[in-house]
Amino acid sequence: DVKVTQSSRYLVKRTGEKVFLECVQDMDHENMFWYRQDPGLGLRLIYFSYDVKMKEKGDIPEGYSVSREKKERFSLILESASTNQTSMYLCASRWGHLNTEAFFGQGTRLTVV
Amino acid sequence: AQKITQTQPGMFVQEKEAVTLDCTYDTSDPSYGLFWYKQPSSGEMIFLIYQGSYDQQNATEGRYSLNFQKARKSANLVISASQLGDSAMYFCAMREPYSGGSNYKLTFGKGTLLTVNP
Repeated sequence: DVKVTQSSRYLVKRTGEKVFLECVQDMDHENMFWYRQDPGLGLRLIYFSYDVKMKEKGDIPEGYSVSREKKERFSLILESASTNQTSMYLCASRWGHLNTEAFFGQGTRLTVV
Repeated sequence: AQKITQTQPGMFVQEKEAVTLDCTYDTSDPSYGLFWYKQPSSGEMIFLIYQGSYDQQNATEGRYSLNFQKARKSANLVISASQLGDSAMYFCAMREPYSGGSNYKLTFGKGTLLTVNP
């Protein structure tokens, strides 16, 4: 079974803190994605990566950065957390083949106070 | 501009009846793929069905089928014989090339909350 694991299920951080969300997949997937999910807004793409050290901005990259030093790990970084970054964060990964689906982690519920 | 549009924030259906969840998409690339995912209240994302832009036939997976109308850019999900366990949020997503290359991004719609009534 494909496994995508996010390091935390729940996180509470203070405004201004630097926050790291980690995602690890065990299936040698080329593509990895970070989304945030908010009620009424669906899943919005923050950043994605199609290979090690390669990253591309998604639709809402402001206030975030990412790191992919190894193929299996994709980290989302909130440089200075703000209350409007309180959200559910979902990591996903997939092979680069055309018709393969993405597999998701269990999500991290981040609250910034 | 919205790449994936799901116009139904919420839908209700009686148990054992069929229901159609709408999805329209916008892309200028001839090579793309469309996915549907289910997210129950537990929060996990469950892949349901896939349709490629070059596929000649509509995709089917058990009780799920995809009504793919390429000229209208629509990819509606049809659930037959609804069950109580089908109550969940449903997301339509599109895989499309990024910057015209061979890399792909995956974009989701806002979702439709389906409630199945007994």
